Amino acid sequence: DTAVSQTPKYLVTQMGNDKSIKCEQNLGHDTMYWYKQDSKKFLKIMFSYNNKELIINETVPNRFSPKSPDKAHLNLHINSLELGDSAVYFCASSQGQQGIQLFFGSGTQLSVL
Amino acid sequence: QKEVEQDPGPLSVPEGAIVSLNCTYSNSAFQYFMWYRQYSRKGPELLMYTYSSGNKEDGRFTAQVDKSSKYISLFIRDSQPSDSATYLCAMGGSQGNLIFGKGTKLSVKP
Repeated sequence: DTAVSQTPKYLVTQMGNDKSIKCEQNLGHDTMYWYKQDSKKFLKIMFSYNNKELIINETVPNRFSPKSPDKAHLNLHINSLELGDSAVYFCASSQGQQGIQLFFGSGTQLSVL
Repeated sequence: QKEVEQDPGPLSVPEGAIVSLNCTYSNSAFQYFMWYRQYSRKGPELLMYTYSSGNKEDGRFTAQVDKSSKYISLFIRDSQPSDSATYLCAMGGSQGNLIFGKGTKLSVKP
């Protein structure tokens, strides 16, 4: 049973489109995250939510909007996709906001053409 | 100066070798230190974490933190081909904003 699952695994789309990535965790954790890993494998936090409340909002274009309907789910919606948005997006969860023991999903490879 | 520096490698070693992976950091506010392993096309998985200076051992893996030098290391003894992956150091404070190194790609040859 997958602990942190995200869908879709691959997403290929045209510039200007709007797309969403969904994430669910069954670990009972109270904090969820979105991370972006660029082509050079650099992993950087985008957002974190604790019990549905936005905690971390790094310098990310406002075309990216996270939504947490409950503490087990954190979705990421991206408007007006740009070429530079191409990356692997990872969802993660942890118990507590310190983010010490992060459990990552398997990633969504987003390719913007 | 970047907050966390990690040599990206690649690093290639024969099976059975001792591997040493390192990171340096500049922010003395970091309180805890982690090593993650990432296989190709997978999410990172936590290997080890520690709060304090000194060594922490778990099987073939030893994590070492030297806060005075702002330097952390991961040692892998008796390396196996299954250890071939990218190893990411990460560190953070109380706010939950982990800073990751760029990762070192390790290849262990049979």
